[in-house]
Amino acid sequence: AQSVTQPDIHITVSEGASLELRCNYSYGATPYLFWYVQSPGQGLQLLLKYFSGDTLVQGIKGFEAEFKRSQSSFNLRKPSVHWSDAAEYFCAVGGILTGGGNKLTFGTGTQLKVEL
Amino acid sequence: KAGVTQTPRYLIKTRGQQVTLSCSPISGHRSVSWYQQTPGQGLQFLFEYFSETQRNKGNFPGRFSGRQFSNSRSEMNVSTLELGDSALYLCASSLAFSPVDTQYFGPGTRLTVL
Repeated sequence: AQSVTQPDIHITVSEGASLELRCNYSYGATPYLFWYVQSPGQGLQLLLKYFSGDTLVQGIKGFEAEFKRSQSSFNLRKPSVHWSDAAEYFCAVGGILTGGGNKLTFGTGTQLKVEL
Repeated sequence: KAGVTQTPRYLIKTRGQQVTLSCSPISGHRSVSWYQQTPGQGLQFLFEYFSETQRNKGNFPGRFSGRQFSNSRSEMNVSTLELGDSALYLCASSLAFSPVDTQYFGPGTRLTVL
């Protein structure tokens, strides 16, 4: 079945440590790929997106993601986490494979906690 | 430039009632999408409107409906509310009916059904 999976429900890292959040998709081809962040009481904010081309994508707030076709993955990374990065992170897929237009199919999210 | 605004921010209703939620997109944006967010089901796509026409629809019952006005503002309506409709309803806007354009999300309307 077509799906997007975030295997980690919760992740805790120390401030200053590196971070990697996992995302895997299962579609017949490569969909458009997105990472969003949601802080408590707020809507979603786009961190970065991948459509084609360079497999390493730079985003806002120092985040980057790497697309790996062989692993059907689009993992989000940050070299040094700040306390303000504590939030919930969602991987999403879009494009014609998921219905077209702006429709997004989201993973279940990863809650990031940052220890000071 | 003002962001996506949603009104009201919080709403309490009882089972069987109906509710209308409003979304004002960013100026110049013509596409509006709606999502439901619950702890159990996560983020689920409801529908998308572009140029006053519903272009895409998620897997929700007919009690969920929406519309878009000529100024791109959108409303969604839920009739005969059920307890399971309690959720955060998010609206997102983008320039056009295309995944290439960035979607901007509003803060959401928190609906509680008692």
